[in-house]
Amino acid sequence: EAGVTQSPTHLIKTRGQQATLRCSPISGHTSVYWYQQALGLGLQFLLWYDEGEERNRGNFPPRFSGRQFPNYSSELNVNALELEDSALYLCASSLDGTGRNGYTFGSGTRLTVV
Amino acid sequence: QQQVKQSPQSLIVQKGGISIINCAYENTAFDYFPWYQQFPGKGPALLIAIRPDVSEKKEGRFTISFNKSAKQFSLHIMDSQPGDSATYFCAASILGNGGSQGNLIFGKGTKLSVKP
Repeated sequence: EAGVTQSPTHLIKTRGQQATLRCSPISGHTSVYWYQQALGLGLQFLLWYDEGEERNRGNFPPRFSGRQFPNYSSELNVNALELEDSALYLCASSLDGTGRNGYTFGSGTRLTVV
Repeated sequence: QQQVKQSPQSLIVQKGGISIINCAYENTAFDYFPWYQQFPGKGPALLIAIRPDVSEKKEGRFTISFNKSAKQFSLHIMDSQPGDSATYFCAASILGNGGSQGNLIFGKGTKLSVKP
């Protein structure tokens, strides 16, 4: 069974540009979660999508947005990139929105803003 | 109230020793407490998890101890091995009754180094 896959692995962007990160959940999983892992700050919750809808949002500005497609894959968009957006962006999936079956993480996308 | 506080930030243990990482939370609605292990360049992987209706859960060399009244839980790694060297994160979430807040709240992590 394939795990959670994220692309690209690395992404370098210039301040002010837009970045698009992609996530494919485990087959059969309907919920996708996005986290930002900045150095020394642990994992900060960004967004949760379930069944195509945004269910919850962390304390991040509106320039962080995303969507979930009918096949449950998801993309995270970051507009007007700032230097402090440089981080590892992790995607996780779970079987459903209850979380009772656990969360499986991908290996992340390393975003560097220069 | 949504925070999960984790300590220590870093930990050095000799091979064969016991590694202990502690976490504390404020939100009494949390009802799911997992621990994740993360190696460099990889995403976090679920290690072990506990619900508040039990005080301890053991899986191999890994044990979670849970103190509901103190709102604290800890991870014990017995017979620590160099291969256990990684960053460990505690987390909490609300599973509730069929619905959830949907997201895990993570501690800031503990970098464990096990010396041979």
